[in-house]
Amino acid sequence: AQTVTQSQPEMSVQEAETVTLSCTYDTSESNYYLFWYKQPPSRQMILVIRQEAYKQQNATENRFSVNFQKAAKSFSLKISDSQLGDTAMYFCAFIYTGTASKLTFGTGTRLQVTL
Amino acid sequence: DTAVSQTPKYLVTQMGNDKSIKCEQNLGHDTMYWYKQDSKKFLKIMFSYNNKELIINETVPNRFSPKSPDKAHLNLHINSLELGDSAVYFCASSPWDRGFAREQYFGPGTRLTVT
Repeated sequence: AQTVTQSQPEMSVQEAETVTLSCTYDTSESNYYLFWYKQPPSRQMILVIRQEAYKQQNATENRFSVNFQKAAKSFSLKISDSQLGDTAMYFCAFIYTGTASKLTFGTGTRLQVTL
Repeated sequence: DTAVSQTPKYLVTQMGNDKSIKCEQNLGHDTMYWYKQDSKKFLKIMFSYNNKELIINETVPNRFSPKSPDKAHLNLHINSLELGDSAVYFCASSPWDRGFAREQYFGPGTRLTVT
């Protein structure tokens, strides 16, 4: 069974600063995808970034980037130039490339961006 | 041009009632899901359909019955509602690529309150 662990229940960052959210996962699969989802107070789940396990290059989407360490089973999210609109719950998620594969979520990190 | 839509967004009902939540996606995806998010924000999959066929059925009380009339629609019917069913229910869809599902796109969620 796959597990996803987010060890930081809450974090705070000042506007314009950089923050890193941690995620570790456990799996015996070799082919999988990892994601970060954002859930603002509106409760909409928004896909922020994805990483394919077979790609060594870390994914980047504008101010969001990941540090993917496959051997360590670590997948952290870096948010640069934090904005007030980044305030949200952030969920790390895992899916392996098998039939009937299902997205397994971590418990989330609540990020507060302050002035 | 909403990608994944759910109705209703809010549902307040009494214990013992039967209710349905509807979901539609216009992304052309083959796979659809129902997730439950509890009061601690933990997300857990309930069901998944691929091309109208049930492929994931987690340990969910049989009072919950999904129905997929076509691959763009997945409805959730709940019989004999209980207080513990109060949660946010998310519908999601995903492209099916080379035999597996990838990133999932979520609807806005339905907040169900059972009194």
